[in-house]
Amino acid sequence: EVQLVESGEGLVQPGSSMKLSCVASGFTFSNYGMNWIRQAPKKGLEWIALIYYDSSSKYYADSVKGRFTISRDNSKNTLYLEMNSLRSEDTAMYYCATAPNWELYFDYWGQGVMVTVSS
Amino acid sequence: DIVLTQSPATLSVTPGESVSLSCRASQGISTSIHWYQQKSNESPRLLIKYASQSISGIPSRFSGSGSGTDFTLSINRVESEDFSVYYCQQSYSLPLTFGSGTKLEIK
Repeated sequence: EVQLVESGEGLVQPGSSMKLSCVASGFTFSNYGMNWIRQAPKKGLEWIALIYYDSSSKYYADSVKGRFTISRDNSKNTLYLEMNSLRSEDTAMYYCATAPNWELYFDYWGQGVMVTVSS
Repeated sequence: DIVLTQSPATLSVTPGESVSLSCRASQGISTSIHWYQQKSNESPRLLIKYASQSISGIPSRFSGSGSGTDFTLSINRVESEDFSVYYCQQSYSLPLTFGSGTKLEIK
């Protein structure tokens, strides 16, 4: 059974940093592209970052480019999202999601972690 | 960026009715559209990929159609568990984008 378990939830002040993790199991992690997608309270879904199966390419939404970094450790079956210079508009539920190799849709999702940016 | 416009924003139906949800792209995207269902307080779930391709484990009452700029998610005979929010997503070009969602509610 595919499982994606995010961690790193919390409340932080504007301008600070935070790192999210997503531990994968039940599939061959190193064969899948991985994504971070977020959802602000009572809002829709926003894709924010993609990393290829081998970390050879990374892509970001303009809203987070230069502030957020996606990375992965295939030896630990873990995906990361390092978030710097956090703003109130980054407050959201953050989901990790798989994308079959070379595909750009999301076939499995984690349960999500809540990030709140507030003073 | 490709903008996806979903309509209607809210659809009120009676269980047993059949419904169609619309997703329109701001430019032609072939069949690079995917549909998700998000129940309250849950993660989204993939329903349909590439406009009309079925997903293992998804009930057959869900189907998709369309190409170019106009896409439809159809639910044949809505069941109580189907009342949730539905999103379309395009994979034609980066950045990947979602529609704003259609909420299917009980009439």
